[in-house]
Amino acid sequence: GNSVTQMEGPVTLSEEAFLTINCTYTATGYPSLFWYVQYPGEGLQLLLKATKADDKGSNKGFEATYRKETTSFHLEKGSVQVSDSAVYFCAPRGGGADGLTFGKGTHLIIQP
Amino acid sequence: DTGVSQDPRHKITKRGQNVTFRCDPISEHNRLYWYRQTLGQGPEFLTYFQNEAQLEKSRLLSDRFSAERPKGSFSTLEIQRTEQGDSAMYLCASTRGTDNEQFFGPGTRLTVL
Repeated sequence: GNSVTQMEGPVTLSEEAFLTINCTYTATGYPSLFWYVQYPGEGLQLLLKATKADDKGSNKGFEATYRKETTSFHLEKGSVQVSDSAVYFCAPRGGGADGLTFGKGTHLIIQP
Repeated sequence: DTGVSQDPRHKITKRGQNVTFRCDPISEHNRLYWYRQTLGQGPEFLTYFQNEAQLEKSRLLSDRFSAERPKGSFSTLEIQRTEQGDSAMYLCASTRGTDNEQFFGPGTRLTVL
């Protein structure tokens, strides 16, 4: 089955800092790749996705590029805000599994 | 509210009791998923339905767990003879396709005493 490795958290940054959250995965075939976010007190929601190699997903200033050669889907943002504080989950889907396979999540804390 | 809803939001039960959770997906979504999330971990896939057909079950879904979606609309997840290890947040998600966004409900938090 699929598996995901994410950076261990918490990750603490100052406002306007550059963010990278690493994600690597193993899967059979070519999965679609997703980043989900869980804000405090809220449910999981999709942040961005990429469905084939070299695709770049983007939303709310966040970006991630589907790198088939390194089986990675790292999340980046050029300038984080306090409102970005949340738990971020990398999740491939497919490649023999129909449900999402989530990483453990990375807790991001942005300080003003 | 046209999102995914789950009921109840919280359930406290004693070990050995049976519990049932309900999920109402977004109305035009034909796929429905169940996940389980324990503290500090990401959600783990349990099972999914396409319309009323249960198409995949994780090995995490022991014989004490059963899920149904009788009319292809709402779904129920039943846990029989609950154990303390069943304590978790049970999440439901729905979608219209395979690579489309899965919309998640707020979850049912189960505590087994």
